[in-house]
Amino acid sequence: RKEVEQDPGPFNVPEGATVAFNCTYSNSASQSFFWYRQDCRKEPKLLMSVYSSGNEDGRFTAQLNRASQYISLLIRDSKLSDSATYLCVVNGGSSYKLIFGSGTRLLVRP
Amino acid sequence: DAGVTQSPTHLIKTRGQQVTLRCSPISGHKSVSWYQQVLGQGPQFIFQYYEKEERGRGNFPDRFSARQFPNYSSELNVNALLLGDSALYLCASSPRTGEVTEAFFGQGTRLTVV
Repeated sequence: RKEVEQDPGPFNVPEGATVAFNCTYSNSASQSFFWYRQDCRKEPKLLMSVYSSGNEDGRFTAQLNRASQYISLLIRDSKLSDSATYLCVVNGGSSYKLIFGSGTRLLVRP
Repeated sequence: DAGVTQSPTHLIKTRGQQVTLRCSPISGHKSVSWYQQVLGQGPQFIFQYYEKEERGRGNFPDRFSARQFPNYSSELNVNALLLGDSALYLCASSPRTGEVTEAFFGQGTRLTVV
């Protein structure tokens, strides 16, 4: 079983749609959780950290369920510029490494 | 302030050769990590260095080595290159090691082994 699992997609949605991505992780000792965005052939960029209480940043909302070891990302009012791969990331129990999922690809069409 | 800078951006090497990749972290950041990303996969952890000491190593062979310098820049070395080493090599910078582990990535070095 992979340490971080994501649906690879692609999710193909129209502009203005709401889309949700899910992610599960296997290490119950993980303490830090993030969503990164990666454009084609570019480096990953931090989208948002994920906190136990849930957090929102504009059109983006992240949720964490520690009991189920599940993380989600909700994107409202999708824009064409949201088209990218979204990487679910957890720390490896000890602080020194980040473990990435394989990513979920989002395509937003006009 | 400049972000994480990596050099070179692209590199083509022959099987069996050796390669050195370089990274300069964000000013003030003392932790540098290296990741390998092959096509269609998420980045895989190779090393973390903090205050010039190795703090962690991923599941990579001994052909991979790294070091961090007093100015916190870092080098990743790969010996005896294999075709399977072709990937995007990413350097990530963090303010410190510890409970806050968000990392900021450089643009990467795209290595092609032929």
